[in-house]
Amino acid sequence: DAGVIQSPRHEVTEMGQEVTLRCKPISGHNSLFWYRQTMMRGLELLIYFNNNVPIDDSGMPEDRFSAKMPNASFSTLKIQPSEPRDSAVYFCASRLAGRDNEQFFGPGTRLTVL
Amino acid sequence: SQKIEQNSEALNIQEGKTATLTCNYTNYSPAYLQWYRQDPGRGPVFLLLIRENEKEKRKERLKVTFDTTLKQSLFHITASQPADSATYLCALDSGGSTLGRLYFGRGTQLTVWP
Repeated sequence: DAGVIQSPRHEVTEMGQEVTLRCKPISGHNSLFWYRQTMMRGLELLIYFNNNVPIDDSGMPEDRFSAKMPNASFSTLKIQPSEPRDSAVYFCASRLAGRDNEQFFGPGTRLTVL
Repeated sequence: SQKIEQNSEALNIQEGKTATLTCNYTNYSPAYLQWYRQDPGRGPVFLLLIRENEKEKRKERLKVTFDTTLKQSLFHITASQPADSATYLCALDSGGSTLGRLYFGRGTQLTVWP
């Protein structure tokens, strides 16, 4: 298996622009997580899905952030409009729900908002 | 409020020595505790999982202990090598209806020098 796939790996955009991050989880995994990592705040959970259904989005900073999972093999995290404080590394992770299993992380997307 | 603290931001040790990293938590009742390794520019990688009813878990040169009374986990790397240099993250899973949702510590950056 190729592991969790994220795209793009790097994104540089200007404040006010829309940003869409993409994730393909490991085939067969039924939980998907979006995290944000910064030096100041560490690794924070933004939202997670079980069987494509959002379970907990309490970590989503504000209405500018939205996430979707239209099917078991694809998820997006959208920021509109983006702001400089959104600059961070965004990770997607997946796991096989229902067991005490580990999460498998993607390589991350480094977002820079100018 | 809930809090996870890892003993220090950075730990430097000499090759061959045992590295001991600490994870303390408050206001959690974790069902599981996991340790991850993160290298620069990469996503975290799972190392070990320990359940609340387990005192110790080993894997090759790694050992994890879990003391729910002290609310602490210790992570040991014996016979450390420069290749063990990385950031190590602890993560708690409260289980139950939120099984799979992890709360991460800020991490400890380990440097093993020759």
